[in-house]
Amino acid sequence: GDSVTQMEGPVTLSEEAFLTINCTYTATGYPSLFWYVQYPGEGLQLLLKATKADDKGSNKGFEATYRKETTSFHLEKGSVQVSDSAVYFCALSEPYMGRRALTFGSGTRLQVQP
Amino acid sequence: DGGITQSPKYLFRKEGQNVTLSCEQNLNHDAMYWYRQDPGQGLRLIYYSQIVNDFQKGDIAEGYSVSREKKESFPLTVTSAQKNPTAFYLCASSPGQGAMTGELFFGEGSRLTVL
Repeated sequence: GDSVTQMEGPVTLSEEAFLTINCTYTATGYPSLFWYVQYPGEGLQLLLKATKADDKGSNKGFEATYRKETTSFHLEKGSVQVSDSAVYFCALSEPYMGRRALTFGSGTRLQVQP
Repeated sequence: DGGITQSPKYLFRKEGQNVTLSCEQNLNHDAMYWYRQDPGQGLRLIYYSQIVNDFQKGDIAEGYSVSREKKESFPLTVTSAQKNPTAFYLCASSPGQGAMTGELFFGEGSRLTVL
């Protein structure tokens, strides 16, 4: 079945550092890929998405490129802020395979220090 | 304001008791979902429903039950058959094609602790 693998956290960075959170996936066909963010005490919010190979999703300074050849969707940000501290989840969807729900990775906690 | 409301936010249960978690949405979304969140394991799908009066099992449905009698409501019952029910439970909803667009809208969650 489908699965998503994320790098283990926590990832601790200083403010203005470059961020990469790795995400790889296993899927039968051609999934859509997503990054969600969960701030402390809150539910998840969609951060960005990409629906086909080579698409780049971007939002709030975060970017991720759908790489079919490496089955990856790594999240990047050029300069993190303290307010980016949260848990980040990579997810995929293959609704045409009969499962009309998202499959999530285990999440990666990001801690940004001033 | 439109959104998803989960209640209660915190719940304590004795072993052997059933407990029902409420999830209500006023977004007019067709699909609703229940996920369980455990440290280090991310979100795992319990049940989901695409339309009223229909629902499908997710990856970890054993020990749980749901109903979808109204479009706005998707309550989750954690039964005594669930061996390890202590967890954070998240409800979500989406428009009919939400699984394709990825636009799930999440509630703030309910934390269940079994004493």
